[in-house]
Amino acid sequence: EPEVTQTPSHQVTQMGQEVILRCVPISNHLYFYWYRQILGQKVEFLVSFYNNEISEKSEIFDDQFSVERPDGSNFTLKIRSTKLEDSAMYFCASTFTRASSTDTQYFGPGTRLTVL
Amino acid sequence: GEDVEQSLFLSVREGDSSVINCTYTDSSSTYLYWYKQEPGAGLQLLTYIFSNMDMKQDQRLTVLLNKKDKHLSLRIADTQTGDSAIYFCAETSNSNSGYALNFGKGTSLLVTP
Repeated sequence: EPEVTQTPSHQVTQMGQEVILRCVPISNHLYFYWYRQILGQKVEFLVSFYNNEISEKSEIFDDQFSVERPDGSNFTLKIRSTKLEDSAMYFCASTFTRASSTDTQYFGPGTRLTVL
Repeated sequence: GEDVEQSLFLSVREGDSSVINCTYTDSSSTYLYWYKQEPGAGLQLLTYIFSNMDMKQDQRLTVLLNKKDKHLSLRIADTQTGDSAIYFCAETSNSNSGYALNFGKGTSLLVTP
């Protein structure tokens, strides 16, 4: 069964450093998402991406964040200058169409980001 | 933003039924979902219900929706130790242009032998 993959599984970085989290969505999917989950808190939507542009973003997704689909397979989330509060589990998701009852978002296993 | 609330922990004995509850505030919620997360794994869709339904059954899983009270529940019949995981309630609505999912904090289900 096709699946969403994410690398690395765990990333440790120093505050102020740039990090790039990588995702390979399911190959025929067209919509891509990033979510994050701070330890002990709920999973929060960050951004959705379609046709090489952001279609929706939350208030969390400020100028420190950017997304890119650099080639036909990868979908990346960049945090330009990490802060302690960026420590979280980051989930990538993809779907063929906009999520509906029968075409839901498929999630990757997550990347745990630890900012020291 | 709109809230989705769940109790944080539930412990049941193997063979018993588990009921995980969720409440939400967005009256325009269109689709409601239950996701399961096992340790080290991603979020796996278990089941979903459309807001014009009040019940859906899928093998051991029964979803009940009380739209008036904005209450969603997931019943797992004959719970097994392999059902131990975190269960997330999520909703989305037509008001979200990208159909972003709005999640609860998750309920940790522990199934004891």
